[in-house]
Amino acid sequence: DQQVKQNSPSLSVQEGRISILNCDYTNSMFDYFLWYKKYPAEGPTFLISISSIKDKNEDGRFTVFLNKSAKHLSLHIVPSQPGDSAVYFCAASNQGGSEKLVFGKGMKLTVNP
Amino acid sequence: DAGVTQSPTHLIKTRGQQVTLRCSPKSGHDTVSWYQQALGQGPQFIFQYYEEEERQRGNFPDRFSGHQFPNYSSELNVNALLLGDSALYLCASSFRQSGVTGNTIYFGEGSWLTVV
Repeated sequence: DQQVKQNSPSLSVQEGRISILNCDYTNSMFDYFLWYKKYPAEGPTFLISISSIKDKNEDGRFTVFLNKSAKHLSLHIVPSQPGDSAVYFCAASNQGGSEKLVFGKGMKLTVNP
Repeated sequence: DAGVTQSPTHLIKTRGQQVTLRCSPKSGHDTVSWYQQALGQGPQFIFQYYEEEERQRGNFPDRFSGHQFPNYSSELNVNALLLGDSALYLCASSFRQSGVTGNTIYFGEGSWLTVV
């Protein structure tokens, strides 16, 4: 029973364009959502997060949108850069932000120069 | 300031053996969580240690056990290894009283375990 789903395993975009990464969840108790980026041979690094009381959070080139009614969130990267090429994980937690994170399977983003 | 460090980085074990993985949290952190990431999957929460006690546990059998030491470092032990235990094991640390937000949870590079 996968509570956090990233249905697209990969995405390829041109440098300078927008990258949109999607994530769906099934557990309505989740109240905090995070995106992590992972390069090969490195641990996941935190990118951006959003609380369930918000519907948008922006940090530089990265924006996360949350649609609670649809149980859907998305990460927008604008403009995309080759250094953004990595595996991106969507994660969720309840209890107001707990170290117990539930991750999706990840999606590989490739940004072509 | 060293981040989260894990050892060993790679190891190979035989079915039925036991393995111990180690984690040193980021300086100032007091909480350690362990995750298992199988190939092609996202990390799955195994358990969390705080004040030397297991505080939360994911859906993993009792073959998976852990320990936290007074210096906050932690060990993950897996007994009676199965082929399906082959995975990347990630350690994450945080500081409990700071409140948990995304930028307060730090992951190590992981330990690759191969069971043959």
